[in-house]
Amino acid sequence: EAQVTQNPRYLITVTGKKLTVTCSQNMNHEYMSWYRQDPGLGLRQIYYSMNVEVTDKGDVPEGYKVSRKEKRNFPLILESPSPNQTSLYFCASSLWDRGRGAYGYTFGSGTRLTVV
Amino acid sequence: DAKTTQPNSMESNEEEPVHLPCNHSTISGTDYIHWYRQLPSQGPEYVIHGLTSNVNNRMASLAIAEDRKSSTLILHRATLRDAAVYYCILRDAHSGAGSYQLTFGKGTKLSVIP
Repeated sequence: EAQVTQNPRYLITVTGKKLTVTCSQNMNHEYMSWYRQDPGLGLRQIYYSMNVEVTDKGDVPEGYKVSRKEKRNFPLILESPSPNQTSLYFCASSLWDRGRGAYGYTFGSGTRLTVV
Repeated sequence: DAKTTQPNSMESNEEEPVHLPCNHSTISGTDYIHWYRQLPSQGPEYVIHGLTSNVNNRMASLAIAEDRKSSTLILHRATLRDAAVYYCILRDAHSGAGSYQLTFGKGTKLSVIP
């Protein structure tokens, strides 16, 4: 089954303790990205990657890092989490072609992170 | 990307058709119209997208106005499982790196009444 898999689904951590949220896709998509979703603010893009070793900032990149060493994996790293990073996080991947740009995004089921 | 306007909420009776409107008066000629939905406690899910012509797939139909300043997502027979927030998003396929990003607005919360 074509899917984007995020782990963990739920995570409670303490301020300053480094954590990684993993994301993997099995569709051979070139493009992957991370979003956070907060009440009243909707979904906002954190980082995206257009291919292996190619990443760039989205709208809210502060406090986050990403890496794309393999096409299928795109982990989100919080080096020193803070309470304002408490949120619902989604990983996504998509197809791309020259005519349509990126399309047909597939999202993971989400990671609910609480930083205390 | 150009801005879209959707109603905050809509209601539909189960097994009746639903027409979800989206206004995008500043749409450019290379903007594709995308629709996603987000069911409770899940990630967004791709529904459909189009450029100029009406589009159909197994989930829904997309009707695009002739001037492209508005579009309508049509669910032919609403089920309880269709209760979700529906997002109408414009994306310019030729805006370079920006063409990769999906910018979500607030969407329309659809409630389906049994």
